[in-house]
Amino acid sequence: AQTVTQSQPEMSVQEAETVTLSCTYDTSESDYYLFWYKQPPSRQMILVIRQEAYKQQNATENRFSVNFQKAAKSFSLKISDSQLGDAAMYFCAYRSNTGNQFYFGTGTSLTVIP
Amino acid sequence: EAGVAQSPRYKIIEKRQSVAFWCNPISGHATLYWYQQILGQGPKLLIQFQNNGVVDDSQLPKDRFSAERLKGVDSTLKIQPAKLEDSAVYLCASSLDQGLAQFFGPGTRLTVL
Repeated sequence: AQTVTQSQPEMSVQEAETVTLSCTYDTSESDYYLFWYKQPPSRQMILVIRQEAYKQQNATENRFSVNFQKAAKSFSLKISDSQLGDAAMYFCAYRSNTGNQFYFGTGTSLTVIP
Repeated sequence: EAGVAQSPRYKIIEKRQSVAFWCNPISGHATLYWYQQILGQGPKLLIQFQNNGVVDDSQLPKDRFSAERLKGVDSTLKIQPAKLEDSAVYLCASSLDQGLAQFFGPGTRLTVL
């Protein structure tokens, strides 16, 4: 079974600074999707960014970008110009293109320091 | 566009009681997911529907959990009887189709005493 590992249970960043959240995954498949989700204290999960494994170009969404290293099975999230509203739990998720399951990591709790 | 709706938002029951959760996905979304999120953990997929058919329920404890999506729109998840370890947030999500980005509801926080 695929596994998703987030090795940083907690991270903190100064407001306006940049932070990188790590995610690694284990798979034998070549085609899949990777996601980063944000879960603020209100608990509603919000999609941050999505990456298709067949695309070599790293996905970006405004201040959020990923560093996708397919050979290393690594999918880190970079948040630039951190804002107070970025404080949340961040979950990395994997989805096979052939199977049906989504696998989530255990999450990284991000604190933004004013 | 309305988001994924879930009710109730909170539920407290005693062990061995029954409970049901309701989810209304985003209009037009064919795929619906139920997740269990235990405190401090990531969501775990319980069941996935494609329209009104079950695509994956391999992690659903079928001796006590059941779910249906009869008309391919809204869905209910039932636990009967509940155990202490069922205390968690139950998240519903939907996507336009399989593999596409999921949109999550606010969740139902279940406490089993």
